[in-house]
Amino acid sequence: ETGVTQTPRHLVMGMTNKKSLKCEQHLGHNAMYWYKQSAKKPLELMFVYSLEERVENNSVPSRFSPECPNSSHLFLHLHTLQPEDSALYLCASSQAVIIYEQYFGPGTRLTVT
Amino acid sequence: DQQVKQNSPSLSVQEGRISILNCDYTNSMFDYFLWYKKYPAEGPTFLISISSIKDKNEDGRFTVFLNKSAKHLSLHIVPSQPGDSAVYFCAASHWSGSARQLTFGSGTQLTVLP
Repeated sequence: ETGVTQTPRHLVMGMTNKKSLKCEQHLGHNAMYWYKQSAKKPLELMFVYSLEERVENNSVPSRFSPECPNSSHLFLHLHTLQPEDSALYLCASSQAVIIYEQYFGPGTRLTVT
Repeated sequence: DQQVKQNSPSLSVQEGRISILNCDYTNSMFDYFLWYKKYPAEGPTFLISISSIKDKNEDGRFTVFLNKSAKHLSLHIVPSQPGDSAVYFCAASHWSGSARQLTFGSGTQLTVLP
């Protein structure tokens, strides 16, 4: 595997379910990010991790819970989501949080029913 | 209120001609700008960038121009090729105090007609 991978690529879940999104980067980077892209809207930054430590949390509801066990893996745990949380969730990485360029995974298309 | 705006949701250009994609921003704290390209079912791919201390950066067929006084940047693709058909996102970077953050525009769908 190369670059940034995300699983699953598609996920349908009910509002009472608990699920997790997984991201893995194979670039040797130290920073990882979660973004949300809703229909017809720009990408919105959700969380930033630097060397497994969360450094940014952009006013994201607590029903989204990130986890970064090491610098290569990032998870987004989901519970009691709302239909308006349906979106494309993108993971990205960069060499460090001070570096401009970020490299994106293909995203997980989430539908909440 | 969107800090980075791409006012044209779509653009069609004939193959071989120039494509010009535009982006406007409002936040004076942005000091670095990037363009990303996105194909369906793939994540955005970094294309080209420019620092706020420059007004032009060129990489092959792609050139980005920055007009700081107008808070405007543009991406020129010459000559345009059918494989360039994708959604193009403008992004602006600033330091939040703990990390560099990217703020994205909503994208422009470019279609290059053969």
